[in-house]
Amino acid sequence: GQQVMQIPQYQHVQEGEDFTTYCNSSTTLSNIQWYKQRPGGHPVFLIQLVKSGEVKKQKRLTFQFGEAKKNSSLHITATQTTDVGTYFCAGQGYQKVTFGTGTKLQVIP
Amino acid sequence: GAVVSQHPSWVICKSGTSVKIECRSLDFQATTMFWYRQFPKQSLMLMATSNEGSKATYEQGVEKDKFLINHASLTLSTLTVTSAHPEDSSFYICSARPWRSGNTIYFGEGSWLTVV
Repeated sequence: GQQVMQIPQYQHVQEGEDFTTYCNSSTTLSNIQWYKQRPGGHPVFLIQLVKSGEVKKQKRLTFQFGEAKKNSSLHITATQTTDVGTYFCAGQGYQKVTFGTGTKLQVIP
Repeated sequence: GAVVSQHPSWVICKSGTSVKIECRSLDFQATTMFWYRQFPKQSLMLMATSNEGSKATYEQGVEKDKFLINHASLTLSTLTVTSAHPEDSSFYICSARPWRSGNTIYFGEGSWLTVV
């Protein structure tokens, strides 16, 4: 079945440093979504990427969808303490969405 | 944005009893709702896909007789954990896909189930 892996599993950064998480699917995706989950909270939708090679930006966040539509990345520039949480990618395959394993980000003030 | 409400947020039940969790889309109609469970520090695992008016599609390894899903209307899906055991203790979360809005899905706040 479809598998979606994310690396790294954990990342500790100093405030102000950049952060990147990578998402890789075992199958080609129709689209990919990114979510952020704060400790004790529920996943919050960040963005959806649909087109091959698509790049989208939200302030300090840059999202990229690979040319083969099997991988994606989320890059945060100059992290802030408010960026703390677990970031999940979610790949849309045939009729269902499979979540990645998640990357937990800790930002050290 | 679209709102999905889940109830209850927290529930403690005795082993052997059943507990129902509701998932409502408050400002949109959802032909499809998804149920996930999340163990601490782990990712969300899809349990089943709930389609309005038809039987739910369960993922491999999920017991459909234990986790009863009903999607009776375009705004409500329920998950009933029957004969709950301590190993069923988990964070259960639903999501809903608005009708005709592409593939964006919206999550409920989740329900913490503790079976004692």
